[in-house]
Amino acid sequence: DGGITQSPKYLFRKEGQNVTLSCEQNLNHDAMYWYRQDPGQGLRLIYYSQIVNDFQKGDIAEGYSVSREKKESFPLTVTSAQKNPTAFYLCASSGKWGLAGGPHLYEQYFGPGTRLTVT
Amino acid sequence: GENVEQHPSTLSVQEGDSAVIKCTYSDSASNYFPWYKQELGKRPQLIIDIRSNVGEKKDQRIAVTLNKTAKHFSLHITETQPEDSAVYFCASTIMDSNYQLIWGAGTKLIIKP
Repeated sequence: DGGITQSPKYLFRKEGQNVTLSCEQNLNHDAMYWYRQDPGQGLRLIYYSQIVNDFQKGDIAEGYSVSREKKESFPLTVTSAQKNPTAFYLCASSGKWGLAGGPHLYEQYFGPGTRLTVT
Repeated sequence: GENVEQHPSTLSVQEGDSAVIKCTYSDSASNYFPWYKQELGKRPQLIIDIRSNVGEKKDQRIAVTLNKTAKHFSLHITETQPEDSAVYFCASTIMDSNYQLIWGAGTKLIIKP
C-alpha cells in the first residue's frame, strides 16, 4: 500500500522516555521527510534527508533526532527533551529534492502515520 | 522565507455545489504548487498540481488556477460529492533549488447531504 510504511500505528509512552518511530520505503526515493501534524496546524517539517548519511533540521527539530544509514529507512526518535510530544507523525518520501527535473520528482508519498501519546 | 496562507480553514458546502479553496504565497520565485487531500485517518495524497508556466489545470471535477501577479492559487471542486469531504493542503516550492515544500495550514471541506 503506497510503498512507504510506518510502525507502529499507535504508540503509548510515559513522560521522560525516548521513543523511536519507524519509517521504511521501497520506492527507491532519495529524499525522506518527517512531519508532525496537530489539529488545525497543517504539516510541520521536523527533519528531512536528501541522501544517505545526510539530514537537515526542519522548522521544529528541537527534541527530535533522526538517522539515515540506509536509503530505505529514516527513523525518528522523540526524546524526553520534546516538550509536547503527543501528536500524529507522518513520514514521506520523494524521488529527488532540489535537483533539476520535472514536478513528478517533487511529489511526496506519505506513510500511514504513527499516533504517539505520551502521558 | 516563503509563507503560504490558506483560506478558509473550514468550508461547508451542499452536495452538488462547488467549493473553492485559496492559497496565497509570498515568494515570487515559487514555481510549483501542489494540492494534497487527506481523508479522515488517512495519509495525504497528491490530487493535482500546477507549474508557474500555466494559468489553469483541470482533472475531471477538480481544477487549479494560478495568478502569478497576485501570488495566489486556488483549488476548485465542482459537483461536490460526499467522498470529497477531507482536509485539503496547498503547498509551494521552487523547483530546481534546495527548497522544501512550504505547506498551507489546511482546509477542512465538509459536504452536506
